[in-house]
Amino acid sequence: DAGITQSPRHKVTETGTPVTLRCHQTENHRYMYWYRQDPGHGLRLIHYSYGVKDTDKGEVSDGYSVSRSKTEDFLLTLESATSSQTSVYFCAIRPGFSGNTIYFGEGSWLTVV
Amino acid sequence: DQQVKQNSPSLSVQEGRISILNCDYTNSMFDYFLWYKKYPAEGPTFLISISSIKDKNEDGRFTVFLNKSAKHLSLHIVPSQPGDSAVYFCAASSSGGYQKVTFGTGTKLQVIP
Repeated sequence: DAGITQSPRHKVTETGTPVTLRCHQTENHRYMYWYRQDPGHGLRLIHYSYGVKDTDKGEVSDGYSVSRSKTEDFLLTLESATSSQTSVYFCAIRPGFSGNTIYFGEGSWLTVV
Repeated sequence: DQQVKQNSPSLSVQEGRISILNCDYTNSMFDYFLWYKKYPAEGPTFLISISSIKDKNEDGRFTVFLNKSAKHLSLHIVPSQPGDSAVYFCAASSSGGYQKVTFGTGTKLQVIP
């Protein structure tokens, strides 16, 4: 158990609506990540954070924004959802003792119709 | 540009036999490699890792081999069990920067009883 809670776990939304996914951790880990998983693409990094208010883009950041106003929460926002953003979204943390190993949450299934 | 490649989308193995999952990488800056296992509707779970200063790491039935000159790593599972049936992701990171973890596209392993 990585101590990560993702919410919502499942969501169906309409094209053009904003959506926010929340990742909550209880261990004060500095590094947090958002990935998406799609068939044929594996896990791709969307955004990551290396501290409060410190965030940066990953390889598939277009159409997404993030915020981290406190250590325990990392929010992923789709400003105007599109069908191509239908995916499974995973949050991950990297404990300071783990070297480069990251640990994932249970995932958020998002469908954009 | 896919920096971590898993060229076999799927693999079937008889129970009790060896499963060998392969992974290639292109970025010579990668110095830490990981394998994750993923069951449907769950988050990826960390399985085993290896640093570039080693060429082998073993944990129970799981062994990871690293061939730096070939930029190739493999995961051996011996003996394979039906519960090992899952998608396996190879991943890599570098010590510098923010240690982002880059994933391959995954290999679906089916262990046949």
